[in-house]
Amino acid sequence: EDQVTQSPEALRLQEGESSSLNCSYTVSGLRGLFWYRQDPGKGPEFLFTLYSAGEEKEKERLKATLTKKESFLHITAPKPEDSATYLCAVFDRGSTLGRLYFGRGTQLTVWP
Amino acid sequence: EADIYQTPRYLVIGTGKKITLECSQTMGHDKMYWYQQDPGMELHLIHYSYGVNSTEKGDLSSESTVSRIRTEHFPLTLESARPSHTSQYLCASSDRRLAEKETQYFGPGTRLLVL
Repeated sequence: EDQVTQSPEALRLQEGESSSLNCSYTVSGLRGLFWYRQDPGKGPEFLFTLYSAGEEKEKERLKATLTKKESFLHITAPKPEDSATYLCAVFDRGSTLGRLYFGRGTQLTVWP
Repeated sequence: EADIYQTPRYLVIGTGKKITLECSQTMGHDKMYWYQQDPGMELHLIHYSYGVNSTEKGDLSSESTVSRIRTEHFPLTLESARPSHTSQYLCASSDRRLAEKETQYFGPGTRLLVL
């Protein structure tokens, strides 16, 4: 049973072409939603944590938003260096303390 | 930036060998985790620890063991490596005392190839 679904699986953008990545979740009680960036051959790098519907956080060209059923990672005017896999994870209130459930990620490619 | 280290970064080993993947963190975090990640797939939790002498199994733990004798150190051991163990292994840590609770910080990973 998938608890975290990310779409699209892959996204190709031209430099400067803004877009959004989606993360939908089905956990019963959300205690946190996390966005990570992962470059090939490396560990995930933490980007944002969102705790409640309506919350938004920004970092450079990235903006994360949260509703009761999904989160969006908006990328404004992306650059080639934004190319990476973006992972979403949720912390379920009903889960054992400390467990995150990850999606499969969206592989973003930004070409010049 | 998180200070969490994994060694080795790459390992090629024969079937049946015993291996230990090392993970250490210098942030004093109380919780530590091991994940397995295959290309294009989600991270799967193998083991986790709430603190010293506390370890729990995750989803894919049946063929590996962990120990947490010191806060900063959380090694993962495969008693008998098999080709099915070929994967990337990621270590992470978190701290409930931090403002952004449950945020996990990851190491660079160990890429394992079992021949």
